[in-house]
Amino acid sequence: DAGVIQSPRHEVTEMGQEVTLRCKPISGHNSLFWYRQTMMRGLELLIYFNNNVPIDDSGMPEDRFSAKMPNASFSTLKIQPSEPRDSAVYFCASSLVGYNEQFFGPGTRLTVL
Amino acid sequence: GESVGLHLPTLSVQEGDNSIINCAYSNSASDYFIWYKQESGKGPQFIIDIRSNMDKRQGQRVTVLLNKTVKHLSLQIAATQPGDSAVYFCAEKEGNNRLAFGKGNQVVVIP
Repeated sequence: DAGVIQSPRHEVTEMGQEVTLRCKPISGHNSLFWYRQTMMRGLELLIYFNNNVPIDDSGMPEDRFSAKMPNASFSTLKIQPSEPRDSAVYFCASSLVGYNEQFFGPGTRLTVL
Repeated sequence: GESVGLHLPTLSVQEGDNSIINCAYSNSASDYFIWYKQESGKGPQFIIDIRSNMDKRQGQRVTVLLNKTVKHLSLQIAATQPGDSAVYFCAEKEGNNRLAFGKGNQVVVIP
């Protein structure tokens, strides 16, 4: 298996632009997690899905952030409009429901100018 | 690669020596803990886990110790190698599926 796949790996955009991050979980996994990592705050859970249904989005910072999981093999995290403070590395992880180990993707490094 | 943290606690270890990385957790009711390793430019990778009904678990060159009395977790790496240079995170299980991650510790192996 290729593991969790994220795209793009790097994204540089200007303040106010829309940003869409993409994730393909490991085949067969039915839980998906979006994290944000910064120097100041470390690794923070933004939202997670079980069986394509959002379970907990309490970590989503603002209404500018939204996440979808239209099917078991694809999820997006969208920021609209983006701001410089959104600059971070965004990770997607997947697991099996009921299992604790999460498998992380390589991350997307987002820079908002 | 992705910058994980320039201000993390850092442990410098001579190659071949043993490393001990410590972590304090907050929730005395947590029943599961996990250690992740994050190399530069990569996502966190699973190292080892432990349930609260155990106080020690060993893997290949790694041992995790759990002290529930003081809510402390440690990761021991035997015969540290250059490939062990990374940031190490402990995480505790929260609720059904969530993991709460610590801030991380940087390990630098000196050849």
